[in-house]
Amino acid sequence: GENVEQHPSTLSVQEGDSAVIKCTYSDSASNYFPWYKQELGKRPQLIIDIRSNVGEKKDQRIAVTLNKTAKHFSLHITETQPEDSAVYFCAASISGANSKLTFGKGITLSVRP
Amino acid sequence: DAGVIQSPRHEVTEMGQEVTLRCKPISGHNSLFWYRQTMMRGLELLIYFNNNVPIDDSGMPEDRFSAKMPNASFSTLKIQPSEPRDSAVYFCASSLGLPDTQYFGPGTRLTVL
Repeated sequence: GENVEQHPSTLSVQEGDSAVIKCTYSDSASNYFPWYKQELGKRPQLIIDIRSNVGEKKDQRIAVTLNKTAKHFSLHITETQPEDSAVYFCAASISGANSKLTFGKGITLSVRP
Repeated sequence: DAGVIQSPRHEVTEMGQEVTLRCKPISGHNSLFWYRQTMMRGLELLIYFNNNVPIDDSGMPEDRFSAKMPNASFSTLKIQPSEPRDSAVYFCASSLGLPDTQYFGPGTRLTVL
C-alpha cells in the first residue's frame, strides 16, 4: 500500500519568512495530493490540494508543487504569520472507486513573532 | 450546511464499558471515514464507507471495534469492551466521492479510565 512520509517533523520560522514542508510517497499510481492544517484542539481542514496533471498550484500565500518523477510534493507558505502555526498533514491517494487517503504523520510548524 | 456532526464531544468511561460514537455526514456526501488521533500514532484511518458499504476496515485495531452505517445520514463506531489504550480523539469525516476533499467533524475526545 501507499506510504507517505513528511520531513522534517517540526519546523520553526521567523514571522515573515517562508516555510517549506516536504512529503514523499511510495505508490507511483497516486494522483491526488491534499494538504490539511490542524490547529491545536481543532479538526484538520483542507488548505490546498493538487492533482497529478499539474505541477504547481497557488492560493494566495500558499502553494503546492508536485514532482511525480521523484515522488514528492511540497507545501510552500510565504510571508508566514503567527496564525500559520499548526500541524500540517500531507496525504496521497489513487484516483478511482473505493480509493482512500493515506496521511503522513504531520509536521508542527511554529512561527515566531 | 452544519458540516459533519459528531456526538458526544467528550466521553469519559471506565475500562470494560461499551462506548458508542456517532456521526452525521454532510448531506449528499457518499463517503464516510472514521479516524483515530493520538500523539504517538498520529492520524489513523480506522474504516471507511462508500454509499453506506464498508470498503476497508483494515485499520480497525481489533474485534473490540465495530462500525456501522445503516443509512446515508448516520454512522456509529462502537468499542466494546473499552480499554485505557483506546483513549484518543476520534474524528469522523465525509466527502462527495473518492478521492475528494474530506470534511472533518469536531471529533470526540474519549478517555478510558
